[in-house]
Amino acid sequence: SAVISQKPSRDICQRGTSLTIQCQVDSQVTMMFWYRQQPGQSLTLIATANQGSEATYESGFVIDKFPISRPNLTFSTLTVSNMSPEDSSIYLCSVKEPGQGSGELFFGEGSRLTVL
Amino acid sequence: AQKVTQAQTEISVVEKEDVTLDCVYETRDTTYYLFWYKQPPSGELVFLIRRNSFDEQNEISGRYSWNFQKSTSSFNFTITASQVVDSAVYFCALRGDSNYQLIWGAGTKLIIKP
Repeated sequence: SAVISQKPSRDICQRGTSLTIQCQVDSQVTMMFWYRQQPGQSLTLIATANQGSEATYESGFVIDKFPISRPNLTFSTLTVSNMSPEDSSIYLCSVKEPGQGSGELFFGEGSRLTVL
Repeated sequence: AQKVTQAQTEISVVEKEDVTLDCVYETRDTTYYLFWYKQPPSGELVFLIRRNSFDEQNEISGRYSWNFQKSTSSFNFTITASQVVDSAVYFCALRGDSNYQLIWGAGTKLIIKP
C-alpha cells in the first residue's frame, strides 16, 4: 500500500491564524481525501482533492475555510483558515490507490491541531 | 440511506480475554463493501480488513477474526487472547457501490488491561 506522510504531525495555534497541512504520497494516486476527526468522534469527510481542479467539498465545509490544493498526483495541502478552538481536531489525509475497485482507503498518520 | 452502528462505545477487558466488537450496517445497495480500521492512541488509522457483500466467508488473521452475516446486516470483529497492544479505537465503515465515500461508525474504544 501507499506510504502517506503528513506534516506537521501536531501543532498548537493561536485563534485567528491559519495553518497548512501537507500530505505526500510515495506513489501516484487517483483519489485523495481530507478528513476531520474531532476529539472523541468519528471521521468526517471534508473534501475530495482533485488533481488540477477545485476540490469537491462536503456539506458543511467551504473553500474559504478549508482551501485545498492538489498540484499533482502525489501531493496535496489542506489549509485551516482563521482558526477557532472548534477547529481543534485531527486532520487526516487518505488515498485510494489506482485499480482498487473495492475502495479501501489508506491514511496518513494525521495532524493533531490544537487551537488556543 | 446508509448507516453504520457501533453500539459499544467502550469495552474494557483483562488481557488474554476474547472480545467481540459489534458492527451493524444499513444499505440499499446490493453490492457494498465493509471495512474495519484500528486507531491506536498515536492517531493514525490502520486498515485491517475489507469484506465484499458477495463474499460471506468469515476470515481469520492470527488472533483477529471477522464474522459477516448478511441476514442480520452485521460484520463483527473478534480478538482472541487480547493483548495490551490491541488497545485502540476500532472503526467499522461501509461503502456502497455508487461512490467511494465511506460511511463510518462512531467507533468502539477497546481497553485491554494487563
